Amino acid sequence: NAGVMQNPRHLVRRRGQEARLRCSPMKGHSHVYWYRQLPEEGLKFMVYLQKENIIDESGMPKERFSAEFPKEGPSILRIQQVVRGDSAAYFCASSPRLQGTSSYNEQFFGPGTRLTVL
Amino acid sequence: LAKTTQPISMDSYEGQEVNITCSHNNIATNDYITWYQQFPSQGPRFIIQGYKTKVTNEVASLFIPADRKSSTLSLPRVSLSDTAVYYCLVAPFYNQGGKLIFGQGTELSVKP
Repeated sequence: NAGVMQNPRHLVRRRGQEARLRCSPMKGHSHVYWYRQLPEEGLKFMVYLQKENIIDESGMPKERFSAEFPKEGPSILRIQQVVRGDSAAYFCASSPRLQGTSSYNEQFFGPGTRLTVL
Repeated sequence: LAKTTQPISMDSYEGQEVNITCSHNNIATNDYITWYQQFPSQGPRFIIQGYKTKVTNEVASLFIPADRKSSTLSLPRVSLSDTAVYYCLVAPFYNQGGKLIFGQGTELSVKP
């Protein structure tokens, strides 16, 4: 069973360009989360999605950032008009539907996409 | 979600046992304690989770006193490959909100 996949692993953009980060959750997982890790800081929650629905976007910046998890295909985190402060590692995590004693607290993280804005 | 406090960094040598303590004074009755490990340039990885007393798996042990206001992650006989950041999190078992709240974590450095 392949783990969470993210691509690209590294992305370089110039200020004002758009960045699109993709995340394929583990097979059978219908919950996807995006986190951002700024240099020398811990991970910060951004958004929680289920198929075709945004459940919690309390950590998303109000402007320029959007996320989707369509019925088919990967989850996409989109950053429009990037600025240097967007440079960070963006991690996607997934978890399965709640079944029995499974816990939401176990999330499976991908390797991350490192965004550099020049 | 309860706030957690843990040391920013720790040093150890290969073969030693490492104990990382996390305080969570405002833990709620339905909260569980979860630890994650993050290697450089990788995503975090779930290590262990517990509610009270002691939990052990193939990677670590988790000790939780009766008042549950703190917890200790114990790594037996560490090796260089255990160098990582360790995060303590507190959240309800069925975390309906989904999100995990990560603190600063403890940066463990294992030396030869």
